[in-house]
Amino acid sequence: QQQVKQSPQSLIVQKGGIPIINCAYENTAFDYFPWYQQFPGKGPALLIAIRPDVSEKKEGRFTISFNKSAKQFSLHIMDSQPGDSATYFCAANRDLTGANNLFFGTGTRLTVIP
Amino acid sequence: DTAVSQTPKYLVTQMGNDKSIKCEQNLGHDTMYWYKQDSKKFLKIMFSYNNKELIINETVPNRFSPKSPDKAHLNLHINSLELGDSAVYFCASSQGSPGEETQYFGPGTRLLVL
Repeated sequence: QQQVKQSPQSLIVQKGGIPIINCAYENTAFDYFPWYQQFPGKGPALLIAIRPDVSEKKEGRFTISFNKSAKQFSLHIMDSQPGDSATYFCAANRDLTGANNLFFGTGTRLTVIP
Repeated sequence: DTAVSQTPKYLVTQMGNDKSIKCEQNLGHDTMYWYKQDSKKFLKIMFSYNNKELIINETVPNRFSPKSPDKAHLNLHINSLELGDSAVYFCASSQGSPGEETQYFGPGTRLLVL
């Protein structure tokens, strides 16, 4: 059972475009929503994260929009660059005693064409 | 300085063999994780340890056994390897507490079972 649904599976944009990746969840116990970026041959790395008490968070060219009532959140990449080409994973966290249980979306492969 | 390191980076082996993957973190974190990333890039948690205590134990075959000799190390031993075990295995670490949910991933171990 997929706890976090992510779309699209792949995305191709021109340099300067604004790719948008969408995620949805059902479990209201989730309390932290990170986005991870993964380059080929590397491990995922945290890009940006949001908590459910805010509707938007911006860090540089990356923005998360969060809709708590709809249980949806999305990543926007402003002025996208070829170096942004990577696989992006949304995730949702449920705190356990002593661990953070992250449920990942299925990933979006982004290609930014020069 | 590598924060989360894994060895080996590549592992090619025959079906039926037993193999181990090692992970070490120098971030001073209390919690470590093992994830499996399949050929479709789906990331799924397998195990989590907090200070040598098993916290998360997802539904994985009992051929997989994690071992944590101390809180900086979490190794994964796999018995009787099967073709379906071919994947990339990532180790990660985090502080494991609310407000400190960021997980730091290692570079991955690419396992190919022939």
